[in-house]
Amino acid sequence: DARVTQTPRDKVTEMGQEVTMRCQPILGHNTVFWYRQTMKQGLELLAYFRNRAPLDDSGMPKDRFSAEMPDATLATLKIQPSEPRDSAVYFCASGLFTTAAGTQYFGPGTRLTVL
Amino acid sequence: GNSVTQMEGPVTLSEEAFLTINCTYTATGYPSLFWYVQYPGEGLQLLLKATKADDKGSNKGFEATYRKETTSFHLEKGSVQVSDSAVYFCALRLEYSGGGADGLTFGKGTHLIIQP
Repeated sequence: DARVTQTPRDKVTEMGQEVTMRCQPILGHNTVFWYRQTMKQGLELLAYFRNRAPLDDSGMPKDRFSAEMPDATLATLKIQPSEPRDSAVYFCASGLFTTAAGTQYFGPGTRLTVL
Repeated sequence: GNSVTQMEGPVTLSEEAFLTINCTYTATGYPSLFWYVQYPGEGLQLLLKATKADDKGSNKGFEATYRKETTSFHLEKGSVQVSDSAVYFCALRLEYSGGGADGLTFGKGTHLIIQP
């Protein structure tokens, strides 16, 4: 049963530290999304890639966040420097969008706490 | 812009009760509509979807009909179980010809609690 995997599952860090979250999409999927979930804002789209090319990162704070796909099996989301307001659950999702309404499959999330 | 509005809850029901969770949307184009479910400590799972007006999505006893005239996609279930307790998210996504798609726009989520 193919799944999206994310590491780490939990991360506690101090303000100012760099944080890197990793995602392994389902093999063969051509689109990868990053979402952030907070109590206040709910689920927000941060960025997404198609065939490893960034298509939209307008939801991401540009000064401290960066998203990359170094290869088809790995997507990364970095925060540098981290701030307490970045505390949230970060979800990665992948999908194969060759037809309309392809399904996005979500990973279990990375719970980030910035002290 | 695009947005989704749903009742936030918590919604508390007794087992075997009828469930309705309302969802309305605003979109610049013709979106596909989705319901996702999130169990405690887990990621989101697709519950059902509909891609065009009057389509009905269904899964595990849940149903929702895409109503273009009222821009709604209400979730219903005839008899809920304790195991249905979770947070339910309504979402939309704009699709493009050739298979492209944007990311999902989510509602705030509805926390459903089913009591025995």
